[in-house]
Amino acid sequence: DAGVTQSPTHLIKTRGQQVTLRCSPKSGHDTVSWYQQALGQGPQFIFQYYEEEERQRGNFPDRFSGHQFPNYSSELNVNALLLGDSALYLCASSHPESSTNEKLFFGSGTQLSVL
Amino acid sequence: AQSVTQLDSHVSVSEGTPVLLRCNYSSSYSPSLFWYVQHPNKGLQLLLKYTSAATLVKGINGFEAEFKKSETSFHLTKPSAHMSDAAEYFCVVRGQAGTALIFGKGTTLSVSS
Repeated sequence: DAGVTQSPTHLIKTRGQQVTLRCSPKSGHDTVSWYQQALGQGPQFIFQYYEEEERQRGNFPDRFSGHQFPNYSSELNVNALLLGDSALYLCASSHPESSTNEKLFFGSGTQLSVL
Repeated sequence: AQSVTQLDSHVSVSEGTPVLLRCNYSSSYSPSLFWYVQHPNKGLQLLLKYTSAATLVKGINGFEAEFKKSETSFHLTKPSAHMSDAAEYFCVVRGQAGTALIFGKGTTLSVSS
């Protein structure tokens, strides 16, 4: 059983560009959350998707947007990239019975570098 | 607002000696607390969770944590460190809205032979 898979694993972009990161949740999971982990810091919550709707959002600007597809996979889009967007982006999924995120499963992340 | 503070950015121990990773929390209500571990190039893994059922929580790989309300602490311990325990450890509290997790800055655990 595959866990949470993210693609690509690494990405290099330049300032002002746009990027799309992808996440496939663990089988049977319907909720996807995205986190940003800057170097030397703990992950920060970006937003969560459930039933193709954004359920909760952290303190991130509108340049960060997302989408969830009917098969529960998700995309994170970042527009007008800034140098400060360089980070590891983590996707996490959870089971329908774990709406309080007590059993989050994380992917290995996408390392985004903005030059 | 909920928050956690990890008191040590780096802890070094010898193999076979005890591990103590310290975490203090701030919460306006009874918190849900977690410890996660992050090995290089691997996803975050849940070690253990506290959700008010018992103050002493046992997790995977011999780790445990004790919730102390009077001290607002949730320290992670292990009686005997193993080389494979070397990793980044995060103390986490569930956010007020119930969905977001709020992570501490992490503690890097180094284990020497």
